[in-house]
Amino acid sequence: NAGVTQTPKFQVLKTGQSMTLQCAQDMNHNSMYWYRQDPGMGLRLIYYSASEGTTDKGEVPNGYNVSRLNKREFSLRLESAAPSQTSVYFCASSARHGLAGGVEQFFGPGTRLTVL
Amino acid sequence: GENVEQHPSTLSVQEGDSAVIKCTYSDSASNYFPWYKQELGKGPQLIIDIRSNVGEKKDQRIAVTLNKTAKHFSLHITETQPEDSAVYFCAAREDSNYQLIWGAGTKLIIKP
Repeated sequence: NAGVTQTPKFQVLKTGQSMTLQCAQDMNHNSMYWYRQDPGMGLRLIYYSASEGTTDKGEVPNGYNVSRLNKREFSLRLESAAPSQTSVYFCASSARHGLAGGVEQFFGPGTRLTVL
Repeated sequence: GENVEQHPSTLSVQEGDSAVIKCTYSDSASNYFPWYKQELGKGPQLIIDIRSNVGEKKDQRIAVTLNKTAKHFSLHITETQPEDSAVYFCAAREDSNYQLIWGAGTKLIIKP
């Protein structure tokens, strides 16, 4: 049981290049999330997928797109990378978004992205 | 929308002493408040959470208190140990869309 896995672990891009960050979970969770973590700013939600077939914008969606490929996989795409997108990206999953009373989110190990 | 402030940004305590981290939130409709611990090079991991109908919750050396009137909640760690060294994040869940809004984090350093 690997939990939440992310690839790649590290990536360096030049301004304007594109790339896709991959995320997969093996816990049969319905909901998945993409966050970015910047020093002194905590975690900010980029996009989330409450269930297979749906995606919604979070707090900072500009410059990103997502695809919920199936129940297990949720990818994040940067179409034209900018230096402001230099960050650590975390994928997370939970049993069900919006569950009354709150529910635990399980995080992957993160992808450290640098845009030059 | 919700806004969460977390203090202090860095906390250094002697091993065996207690540590307290505080968070305030702005939206009185928020009803779920988790605390996550992030070790170096890893993703955050839930350590304790509290819902708005409860004032305090304990789990061994860790406790969380919630004051709904003042809109703040705190994490208390007693008898600190070296493995408690990490970054701790609080969060509040918005009632409108169930998104978690996170504090900026507290780096806890346990001095031997």
